[in-house]
Amino acid sequence: EPEVTQTPSHQVTQMGQEVILRCVPISNHLYFYWYRQILGQKVEFLVSFYNNEISEKSEIFDDQFSVERPDGSNFTLKIRSTKLEDSAMYFCASEGENEQYFGPGTRLTVT
Amino acid sequence: GQNIDQPTEMTATEGAIVQINCTYQTSGFNGLFWYQQHAGEAPTFLSYNVLDGLEEKGRFSSFLSRSKGYSYLLLKELQMKDSASYLCAVRSFSGGYNKLIFGAGTRLAVHP
Repeated sequence: EPEVTQTPSHQVTQMGQEVILRCVPISNHLYFYWYRQILGQKVEFLVSFYNNEISEKSEIFDDQFSVERPDGSNFTLKIRSTKLEDSAMYFCASEGENEQYFGPGTRLTVT
Repeated sequence: GQNIDQPTEMTATEGAIVQINCTYQTSGFNGLFWYQQHAGEAPTFLSYNVLDGLEEKGRFSSFLSRSKGYSYLLLKELQMKDSASYLCAVRSFSGGYNKLIFGAGTRLAVHP
């Protein structure tokens, strides 16, 4: 069964550093998403991406965040200057018919 | 605004039936999903409803009433491994694209 993969599974970084979280969506999907979940809180929408463009972003997704699909398979989320409050699980999802498939997530810890 | 409400916690006995309710107020409604999430793991898809009525899938069923902004997830023949958080998520369609808006989740504890 096809699946969404994410790397790394866990990233530890110092405040102010840049991080790039990587995702490989399911190959024939066209819509991609990033969500985050702060420990003990609900899953929150960050951004949706279609046809190499951001289609919608939430208020969380400020200028510190960016997404791109550099090579037609990977889908990346970059945080330019991490803050302590960016510590969370980051989930990538890709959309097929009537279902969003979630990757296993990257746990980001900012110290 | 967008709002999704579900109970914070529920407990149930192994072998029993439990119903987890979800009410929502969203714009651009384009379907309702239920996901299961074990601690530290990603959400996994359980069910999807876009039309009113009941969808059955093995031990899990989900019901939707769009006019009432209401859904429930029904779990039958509960097993210990069903202890998890259950997330109600509404797919909201705007500008030609979908996003999922999640409720805070219902933490279900199944005990012997």
